[in-house]
Amino acid sequence: DIQMTQSPSSLSASVGDRVTITCRASQTIDNYLNWYQHKPGKAPKLLIFGASTLHSGVPSRFSGSGSGTEFTLTISRLQPEDFTTYFCQQSYSSPFTFGQGTKLDIK
Amino acid sequence: EVQLVESGGGLVQPGGSLRLSCAASGFTFSSYWMYWVRQAPGKGLEWVSRINSDGTSRSYADSVKGRFTVSRDNAKNTLYLQMNGLRAEDTAVYHCANVDITSREASDIWGQGTMVTVSS
Repeated sequence: DIQMTQSPSSLSASVGDRVTITCRASQTIDNYLNWYQHKPGKAPKLLIFGASTLHSGVPSRFSGSGSGTEFTLTISRLQPEDFTTYFCQQSYSSPFTFGQGTKLDIK
Repeated sequence: EVQLVESGGGLVQPGGSLRLSCAASGFTFSSYWMYWVRQAPGKGLEWVSRINSDGTSRSYADSVKGRFTVSRDNAKNTLYLQMNGLRAEDTAVYHCANVDITSREASDIWGQGTMVTVSS
């Protein structure tokens, strides 16, 4: 099984800051890497698919990069609504594992 | 409106069974592969199962293999998860989601989830 290691597990930042979250795969997953935002009690929301493609309707302050085993999600100019939890997921092979999540809170 | 709505969760004793449903609307359900994903209290997301568009191919996480069965009824636009032999560690919110094979198999439609609690 492919293990996804996401870091950091938590992050404190201020409105307007730029933050980066990293996801590492235990073996190559090409660019089958997706990023989701998940607010408590809500449905997860797709941000980035294929490692770097912004999903329709997602603000351009979100960006993704990487290929193979190392991937990053960057949020530039944090907005108040961005303070929540983010997950990566590999869709390369079953089981389609998620990272442990990164909780982003206001400093 | 494009949406997925889960139902069927509740409180069940260890060893018991539940069947979850996921009703789809606003998109061509029969064209999409589908996932079940769960989140235990205080934990991250865990992939549970996937089914292809016509229901002939299914896969499961090791943690549920042999106990859970995914199925679908495309005429009713509904996805199901039959859960047998439930354990305390199956306690979670269960979400259904689509699989978009044109977007590196990402999921851009999710339900809000249904809570399953396994406890005596």
